[in-house]
Amino acid sequence: KQEVTQIPAALSVPEGENLVLNCSFTDSAIYNLQWFRQDPGKGLTSLLLIQSSQREQTSGRLNASLDKSSGRSTLYIAASQPGDSATYLCAVRDFGNEKLTFGTGTRLTIIP
Amino acid sequence: DGGITQSPKYLFRKEGQNVTLSCEQNLNHDAMYWYRQDPGQGLRLIYYSQIVNDFQKGDIAEGYSVSREKKESFPLTVTSAQKNPTAFYLCASSEERGFYGYTFGSGTRLTVV
Repeated sequence: KQEVTQIPAALSVPEGENLVLNCSFTDSAIYNLQWFRQDPGKGLTSLLLIQSSQREQTSGRLNASLDKSSGRSTLYIAASQPGDSATYLCAVRDFGNEKLTFGTGTRLTIIP
Repeated sequence: DGGITQSPKYLFRKEGQNVTLSCEQNLNHDAMYWYRQDPGQGLRLIYYSQIVNDFQKGDIAEGYSVSREKKESFPLTVTSAQKNPTAFYLCASSEERGFYGYTFGSGTRLTVV
């Protein structure tokens, strides 16, 4: 059974710093991995999607990497801004499985 | 703009009542999903449907029911058999194989009063 872990549960950094969020998963036979952002009381906004054959994806200040052999993905945020404050969730879809398995998220606070 | 619309945003249920949460998508996606989110826990799958008139139970289906009469719509009913229904409910959709990822709605917060 796939398990997804995100550590730390919460992170605070000063504005302008670069930062890395971590996601680990137990079963490397994944179909794809998706990073989401969730603001308080809101739905999930998709940030980046990495297919199993890819190593990384980039969108603006965000870069996500995938290392299936080690069961890890990272989300790199460059030049952080107060508007980046949110909870970041990673989710894995396995081959032959229709559902996403979610981590419990990292709550990020950017300090102005 | 294409997307998923969930309504209502807030819903209050009395003990013993059934309530229905609406989810509509105009993305032409084949698959639709209902997830439940509780504080400190990851999202958990309630039901999913890959095609009209067919749906499967997820990990926590007890006390819930769904229907999929139209491709665009996947309503969730929280029945009186669900003993702890207070939670944030999220609807999602994807094309058939999920290759392009999932799109989520804005959620419905259900509270038992």
